[in-house]
Amino acid sequence: SAVISQKPSRDICQRGTSLTIQCQVDSQVTMMFWYRQQPGQSLTLIATANQGSEATYESGFVIDKFPISRPNLTFSTLTVSNMSPEDSSIYLCSGSRRRQETQYFGPGTRLLVL
Amino acid sequence: AQSVTQPDIHITVSEGASLELRCNYSYGATPYLFWYVQSPGQGLQLLLKYFSGDTLVQGIKGFEAEFKRSQSSFNLRKPSVHWSDAAEYFCAVGGSGGSNYKLTFGKGTLLTVNP
Repeated sequence: SAVISQKPSRDICQRGTSLTIQCQVDSQVTMMFWYRQQPGQSLTLIATANQGSEATYESGFVIDKFPISRPNLTFSTLTVSNMSPEDSSIYLCSGSRRRQETQYFGPGTRLLVL
Repeated sequence: AQSVTQPDIHITVSEGASLELRCNYSYGATPYLFWYVQSPGQGLQLLLKYFSGDTLVQGIKGFEAEFKRSQSSFNLRKPSVHWSDAAEYFCAVGGSGGSNYKLTFGKGTLLTVNP
């Protein structure tokens, strides 16, 4: 299995501000993904983080709201921009060796927006 | 489009009892199937997966799951539940191969274990 870490583990933010979440994976991982888990809900894929190029976003998610960077193979960031209380969720990073292989998840970042 | 249904939102069992969590999927071809567990305040941990071959797969912590193509199901089982198994369980299906591959999750089943 892959080792995936995230930080911060949790944060409380004011509306209108932005938060950047970091994800670090071990060298076995080539694919990286970002998910959102809203309170009491399942996981929804936000985007695939592509190394050195723009992320691939799922329907309903846009780059202006969730800018993602992946400057190298093992590191990615997700920014939640101009936050509102509706952005209060758990944000999870995952990784896999190839797109169709098993995804392993980080511990998540618990975000509360006031 | 692929989808996953977990019919049971919340299940309560007694410690030592057997457990079966249901999962039904919709996908046109042979799917990749997964069960993940999320303990309170934790991320997701992979319990087991099915890609091909033997339809009965063994996972960690004494869990197993059986892929039944005719029923489009991938139910999770454990013969004797421990208090530490209390958590939320997510079934997921991977499909739409190639560059469109993505993982779709069910809404989860919350497991409560009574002493």
